[in-house]
Amino acid sequence: AQSVTQLGSHVSVSEGALVLLRCNYSSSVPPYLFWYVQYPNQGLQLLLKYTSAATLVKGINGFEAEFKKSETSFHLTKPSAHMSDAAEYFCAVTLSNSGYSTLTFGKGTMLLVSP
Amino acid sequence: DADVTQTPRNRITKTGKRIMLECSQTKGHDRMYWYRQDPGLGLRLIYYSFDVKDINKGEISDGYSVSRQAQAKFSLSLESAIPNQTALYFCATSASTGFAETQYFGPGTRLLVL
Repeated sequence: AQSVTQLGSHVSVSEGALVLLRCNYSSSVPPYLFWYVQYPNQGLQLLLKYTSAATLVKGINGFEAEFKKSETSFHLTKPSAHMSDAAEYFCAVTLSNSGYSTLTFGKGTMLLVSP
Repeated sequence: DADVTQTPRNRITKTGKRIMLECSQTKGHDRMYWYRQDPGLGLRLIYYSFDVKDINKGEISDGYSVSRQAQAKFSLSLESAIPNQTALYFCATSASTGFAETQYFGPGTRLLVL
C-alpha cells in the first residue's frame, strides 16, 4: 500500500520568493514519485518524476524536487516564483515493484502568488 | 487537436438519471483511467483499464460503471446519479512501460447533480 501527505492545502508567496511545497510518502517498497500541476480549468500535467536514477530531479518551468529516503519526503521547490506558477500542485506515488500499480494522489496544495 | 478529449465538458443532471461521460485518446496508449476530483480531497481513482479486455475497480467504484469500447475509448456511467456525485471528472491515459508511467489527462468534465 502507498500514500502521500501534502502539508498545507494553501501556500502563499510573493513573486520572486522561494516556492516550497511539501510532500511525504508512505510505501511498503521503494516508490516512484511524481509532481503534477493543474492550472485553472485544465487537466493535470506532469512537472517531474523520481524513478531512482537520481535523488534530485529537475522538471519543467524551473521546478525541482529532492527525494530523501531518510525523511520519506519529496518536496517541490522553485527558487523564484512567477505569477504564472499560481496553480494547484499534486504529489503522487506508485510502487516500483509492479507494472500494474496505480497512482495514489495527495490532496493537493494550492499555490497563490502575489505581486 | 488534444490528445485526450472528454465529452461533455459540463453537464447538469437530476437525481436518478443515468448519464455517460466519454473519453477518447489519440496517443495510442493501452492504459486508461477515470478519476474524480473534489475540493480538498485530491484525485481519487474510480476505474482503470490496462487493456481492452481488462477492467478494474479503483478506490471509489460504487455507483459507477465503465466500458472500454476500443483501445482509444473509455466511458464512465453513473447508473443513477446522486448529488454527492457532483464533482470534476478526469480521464487519463498511459503507455504500459511498467516503469513510472506518466499519465496524460483530459481537460475534465464538470458534473452537477441536482
